[in-house]
Amino acid sequence: EDQVTQSPEALRLQEGESSSLNCSYTVSGLRGLFWYRQDPGKGPEFLFTLYSAGEEKEKERLKATLTKKESFLHITAPKPEDSATYLCAVQAGSGGSNYKLTFGKGTLLTVNP
Amino acid sequence: GAVVSQHPSRVICKSGTSVKIECRSLDFQATTMFWYRQFPKQSLMLMATSNEGSKATYEQGVEKDKFLINHASLTLSTLTVTSAHPEDSSFYICSGREGEKLFFGSGTQLSVL
Repeated sequence: EDQVTQSPEALRLQEGESSSLNCSYTVSGLRGLFWYRQDPGKGPEFLFTLYSAGEEKEKERLKATLTKKESFLHITAPKPEDSATYLCAVQAGSGGSNYKLTFGKGTLLTVNP
Repeated sequence: GAVVSQHPSRVICKSGTSVKIECRSLDFQATTMFWYRQFPKQSLMLMATSNEGSKATYEQGVEKDKFLINHASLTLSTLTVTSAHPEDSSFYICSGREGEKLFFGSGTQLSVL
């Protein structure tokens, strides 16, 4: 069974204090790892997709990296508007049209001004 | 990114009534749509996968007669919660697939009294 574990569950940062969120996964045949941002009462907003170990992607203050066992979401000099829950999800399968995503519980990030 | 519109955003209903939630892909054709359920501080849990013009595929433990899914066109999928009970109260989120990415609606908070 595919499993995704995110840590920490919650993280409080001061504005400008850089940090990283972790996503550990166990899947049979990773097809893709996804990062989403979710604001309270809203649906997830797509951030990144990573497909292979060693891959990195950046968007503004966010940078996602991937190894064979985990992914990190690095947040550089965060601002209060970065406060949200960050979700990690994996897509697994050996082929076909299986686009099922397995999500972690998320990391609730709070950035204080 | 692609836009998925979900309505209503919030619904309150009496126990025993049915509720319909709509999910539309506004700027792309979604041959596959997914319905998720999310409890507070929990992961998004996939309920079912719907393919345009065919029957939905339900995840283990999800009652197909209670959660009716219709995907009659490439841009519209609906989820009907039949004979709703308080334990059905949750946040329901749809998503549409464009290529290898999933784009999510803004979610529907269902409260059953």
